[in-house]
Amino acid sequence: EDKVVQSPLSLVVHEGDTVTLNCSYEVTNFRSLLWYKQEKKAPTFLFMLTSSGIEKKSGRLSSILDKKELFSILNITATQTGDSAVYLCAVEADSGGYNKLIFGAGTRLAVHP
Amino acid sequence: NAGVTQTPKFQVLKTGQSMTLQCAQDMNHEYMSWYRQDPGMGLRLIHYSVGAGITDQGEVPNGYNVSRSTTEDFPLRLLSAAPSQTSVYFCASSRDRGLQSQYFGPGTRLTVT
Repeated sequence: EDKVVQSPLSLVVHEGDTVTLNCSYEVTNFRSLLWYKQEKKAPTFLFMLTSSGIEKKSGRLSSILDKKELFSILNITATQTGDSAVYLCAVEADSGGYNKLIFGAGTRLAVHP
Repeated sequence: NAGVTQTPKFQVLKTGQSMTLQCAQDMNHEYMSWYRQDPGMGLRLIHYSVGAGITDQGEVPNGYNVSRSTTEDFPLRLLSAAPSQTSVYFCASSRDRGLQSQYFGPGTRLTVT
């Protein structure tokens, strides 16, 4: 059975801290791994990763994928209160005529001033 | 473009009642999906459609029906609501099977008492 596991489930930090969120997966027919940010509404897309070892970066956020060890990490440096959200990891898998997303449970990040 | 719209935003049902959650997109996307999000469980795929007239089951289809008579609309029907269907429901659409370009609607929060 396909599964995506995120850790930790929740995290509380202070502004300026650096955090690392983890995502491990066991999914057949892997196509890509996606990270989303969710703040009390619909998830918003952050990154898509398809190849091992290539870091994707957007401002203070970065992510990398290891397809041999089947995990990804999302780093946030110099955290701000606006980074408080649930971060979702999802693996896109080929399911015949459709690609499906298998989501992890999310990591709830709270950044305190 | 309005993107993906969902109505209603909130709904309370009694056990056994039926209702339809509406979803519409104005981006001419072929692929549309319904997810539910429960606390601590991430998003799970209920049903999806790869084009008008074509629908298929996702991970948790029981208790739900869908139809896709037009490209724009993808309603989700609850046949006989149960408390286990209390959840937040997200509709999503994408241009093609690559889900990194998937747009999510704002969600419908459903409570079944």
